[in-house]
Amino acid sequence: KAGVTQTPRYLIKTRGQQVTLSCSPISGHRSVSWYQQTPGQGLQFLFEYFSETQRNKGNFPGRFSGRQFSNSRSEMNVSTLELGDSALYLCASSPGQPTLYLDTGELFFGEGSRLTVL
Amino acid sequence: DQQVKQNSPSLSVQEGRISILNCDYTNSMFDYFLWYKKYPAEGPTFLISISSIKDKNEDGRFTVFLNKSAKHLSLHIVPSQPGDSAVYFCAASAPASGTYKYIFGTGTRLKVLA
Repeated sequence: KAGVTQTPRYLIKTRGQQVTLSCSPISGHRSVSWYQQTPGQGLQFLFEYFSETQRNKGNFPGRFSGRQFSNSRSEMNVSTLELGDSALYLCASSPGQPTLYLDTGELFFGEGSRLTVL
Repeated sequence: DQQVKQNSPSLSVQEGRISILNCDYTNSMFDYFLWYKKYPAEGPTFLISISSIKDKNEDGRFTVFLNKSAKHLSLHIVPSQPGDSAVYFCAASAPASGTYKYIFGTGTRLKVLA
């Protein structure tokens, strides 16, 4: 079974530009989440999509947006890039509805897209 | 406000000994916790999870303990191996909300010395 695929793996942009990152979840998984990892900050939740709907959103400015397609693939977009947006952006997929007592809440991560803003 | 805290940025342990990684949380609504391991240039990989109805979960060399009253969980690795050297993240969630929103700690870098 193929894992979570993220493209591109590395990219360099300049301030003010915009970027789109792509994520293909594990086949059959309907939930896709996005996280930002920066040194010293751990992984910070950006948003989660389920069946093409944004189900939850973290505390990031409106410059960060995302969407999910009918085949569960997801994209995230960052507009008007700032130096502080340099980070590893991680996508994670999950089957669907987490249930406490069945321990089905595992996230499966891709290798990430490393964005450098100059 | 950091709702999930890993107060030790790094830990060094001798091969064969026990590694204990700690994690504290502040939100009493959290009832599902996971541990992830991350190597450089790779995405995090799932290690072990525990829900609030348990106080211990084991999987091979890995055991997670949950103390709900103290809002504290720990990951024990016994025996530690050089291949365990990585950054370990704990994460917490409230699955009753029906979503996969996880709050991660800042990570602990484990170094297992041969």
